[in-house]
Amino acid sequence: NAGVIQTPRHKVTGKGQEATLWCEPISGHSAVFWYRQTIVQGLEFLTYFRNQAPIDDSGMPKERFSAQMPNQSHSTLKIQSTQPQDSAVYLCASSVDWAEQYFGPGTRLTVL
Amino acid sequence: GDQVEQSPSALSLHEGTGSALRCNFTTTMRAVQWFQQNSRGSLINLFYLASGTKENGRLKSTFNSKESYSTLHIRDAQLEDSGTYFCAAANNNAPRFGAGTKLSVKP
Repeated sequence: NAGVIQTPRHKVTGKGQEATLWCEPISGHSAVFWYRQTIVQGLEFLTYFRNQAPIDDSGMPKERFSAQMPNQSHSTLKIQSTQPQDSAVYLCASSVDWAEQYFGPGTRLTVL
Repeated sequence: GDQVEQSPSALSLHEGTGSALRCNFTTTMRAVQWFQQNSRGSLINLFYLASGTKENGRLKSTFNSKESYSTLHIRDAQLEDSGTYFCAAANNNAPRFGAGTKLSVKP
């Protein structure tokens, strides 16, 4: 069991570019969660899927951010027109149910 | 408003001593999970509780859903226990995190 896999581990983009972050949940887990961590804001919930369906995206910024889960083996978080304030560690977690979570190592996004 | 209030925000312990971390919830939660975030940033699962108490080595956690709080007790602290500890709690939605307790264990 490789655990939750996130790629890339580090990404540097220029302001205005697009960034796509990937998450592969643990096999058999039906729920996938995305969080963002910064020193100032701490761990912020972004969105989550259950059985590939979007359930709660209340934490997603209204513009530029989108998430998909096209199949049970991966989810993507896309940020269009990245801004310096988007710099953060983006964490993906998966779970068998909606509560006990297992986290990936995160993707550190730096927007210059 | 904030659903998960975690305290203290920082804690310093000498090796061999112990203390308790606490999370209070402003709404009824169905389950709580505790994590340690190490120096590399990885979130390590410590406990998941829907009720009651669990113990693992020098760590013990309790979740009282009726009174809306959870605690994490650390005894005989070791240097490798240093890091940031988070609780996360869920009702019927995705778990929300507390702000974390930064623990420093000193020789």
